[in-house]
Amino acid sequence: GQQLNQSPQSMFIQEGEDVSMNCTSSSIFNTWLWYKQDPGEGPVLLIALYKAGELTSNGRLTAQFGITRKDSFLNISASIPSDVGIYFCAGWRSNYQLIWGAGTKLIIKP
Amino acid sequence: GAGVSQSPRYKVAKRGQDVALRCDPISGHVSLFWYQQALGQGPEFLTYFQNEAQLDKSGLPSDRFFAERPEGSVSTLKIQRTQQEDSAVYLCASSFLWTGSYEQYFGPGTRLTVT
Repeated sequence: GQQLNQSPQSMFIQEGEDVSMNCTSSSIFNTWLWYKQDPGEGPVLLIALYKAGELTSNGRLTAQFGITRKDSFLNISASIPSDVGIYFCAGWRSNYQLIWGAGTKLIIKP
Repeated sequence: GAGVSQSPRYKVAKRGQDVALRCDPISGHVSLFWYQQALGQGPEFLTYFQNEAQLDKSGLPSDRFFAERPEGSVSTLKIQRTQQEDSAVYLCASSFLWTGSYEQYFGPGTRLTVT
């Protein structure tokens, strides 16, 4: 099925480092969402973006809705061990369907 | 409970068996979604209910897949004559919003393995 292009696929980082990941699409979206999924659990909503250019923070997380409405990025500052997991972007255009990226797996080096 | 619950959490079925997966959404949420998540991939939309009405079933991969929500709360996803390619995690999500497509709250999923 159709998916957003999410990069990188995985990241190995040291605790305390900042993290950046992004999501792009060839189509315009009206809403961008960022979710985190831990093993054996469903995705948990982190940030929702509703307007092009919008920059929204949630604690150490910051996300932006691209001006073209075809991309979004997520930054995590000063990573901690509980940040490990898979981060998904998802876009909504109309009707009821969310379109999802394949995820960015965050791994913290011991 | 406060969140979306799904049962069973794990299901192993022999090829050709029928399975039924249950979703209990957050109380008061009118919108309910089913997704299929293959290993290493993001969720893929299967179907959407607004109360008891199934408004979109365009993501159901074949006519072996059937979903219902007869009283507008609990939903069941049924897969008939399971095939190996049906092996995946099936996620249910609910939302308070009538338009329903964002700010969805997910259950833990049911991992289906077809042998």
